[in-house]
Amino acid sequence: AQRVTQPEKLLSVFKGAPVELKCNYSYSGSPELFWYVQYSRQRLQLLLRHISRESIKGFTADLNKGETSFHLKKPFAQEEDSAMYYCALPHILTGGGNKLTFGTGTQLKVEL
Amino acid sequence: DAGITQSPRHKVTETGTPVTLRCHQTENHRYMYWYRQDPGHGLRLIHYSYGVKDTDKGEVSDGYSVSRSKTEDFLLTLESATSSQTSVYFCAISDRGQGNQPQHFGDGTRLSIL
Repeated sequence: AQRVTQPEKLLSVFKGAPVELKCNYSYSGSPELFWYVQYSRQRLQLLLRHISRESIKGFTADLNKGETSFHLKKPFAQEEDSAMYYCALPHILTGGGNKLTFGTGTQLKVEL
Repeated sequence: DAGITQSPRHKVTETGTPVTLRCHQTENHRYMYWYRQDPGHGLRLIHYSYGVKDTDKGEVSDGYSVSRSKTEDFLLTLESATSSQTSVYFCAISDRGQGNQPQHFGDGTRLSIL
């Protein structure tokens, strides 16, 4: 069964410090992976997806198949980065569509 | 933001009462999903739909039913609400079924069962 693990419930860093939010997955095959962000009491927004290999708001994530990881990184944290971050693994469903298996989330708090 | 509207945004009700949550989309997307969000669990899929009148169960479907009579509307019903169903409920949509297609989420409904 596929699984997504985010080991840290809370990550607190100072403004300007580097950030790394950890995500490990369990999946047989070549995975697609997403990072979603949820600012306080707002809807989840797609932040990054593995296939596009782009940088959004200064965040990047590299898929490491050997370590089965998809860690989210940013070199210099900003106060506005404070949010809940979810790593998600899609799985094709019977009838089409895909189910997202989410990690439990990491709350990032950027302190001044 | 994708055109997804959830209603109501907040609801407080009593154990044993029926509750229906509505998700309305203006994107004409084929696939729609209902998730619940709970601390320590992330988001978990309740039910999903792959077309009008085509629905299937997710991983936490017990106590929930859904209906989709139109492309734009996906209803989630708690036939007899229990306190364990207190949660934040999110609707999501996607256009195609391929694995690399992300889902877009609504603003959520905060439901409290007393």
